[in-house]
Amino acid sequence: QSVLTQPPSASGTPGQRVTISCSGGNSNIETNSVNWYQQLPATAPKVLIYHTNQRPSGVPDRFSGSKSGTSASLAISGLQSEDEADYYCATWDDSLNVVVFGGGTKLTVL
Amino acid sequence: QVQLQESGPGLVKPSETLSLTCTVSGGSISTDFWSWIRQPPGKGLEWIGYIYYRGLTMYNPSLKSRVTMSMDASTNQFSLQLSSVTAADTAVYYCAREGWYSSSAYFDYWGQGMLVAISS
Repeated sequence: QSVLTQPPSASGTPGQRVTISCSGGNSNIETNSVNWYQQLPATAPKVLIYHTNQRPSGVPDRFSGSKSGTSASLAISGLQSEDEADYYCATWDDSLNVVVFGGGTKLTVL
Repeated sequence: QVQLQESGPGLVKPSETLSLTCTVSGGSISTDFWSWIRQPPGKGLEWIGYIYYRGLTMYNPSLKSRVTMSMDASTNQFSLQLSSVTAADTAVYYCAREGWYSSSAYFDYWGQGMLVAISS
């Protein structure tokens, strides 16, 4: 059971906007920045969003992050087939003193 | 461009110690934070711990009694040892660097990962 809760799956058609949620608590998301990682099949994860809403260079502006209270969200607009991947949220937990990850959301592009 | 590469045995017997090394190029291990993260087959990510300058460490409490991390600045490598392994420790093991932005950390560079199976 992950400390951060994500829906196990999400889907959308090309061009659509999809949102993936990440629910936590006041010792993690509420007080710390959230990062999002994209894991394409059989590859290492790659940072997609850091510090809640910052994009590394090379990540398209179709990807955006936000948070409110104890929840965070990743939004993907203009969905493309190459966005089909697993997405993980992560942050530091002040009570557990660990980096915590969500369980992951498998995004399918229909 | 920082690059990381895991190496070590791909098969370890139950009750023995898993040992992995991460070789870093394009950056100095003496100046950053370096983590190990694992992913059991078909499952999510679990942070194992990190090591940073002067060899200071922080481990996941759930694994702390079995984990040891070390670093060798002369070879730009850092290592993971996990003792008393069981089948539950079968996973892809990743090494990663922690980048920092405004006092918050994230994993900005990752190794390709190494599958370690625990089996007799």
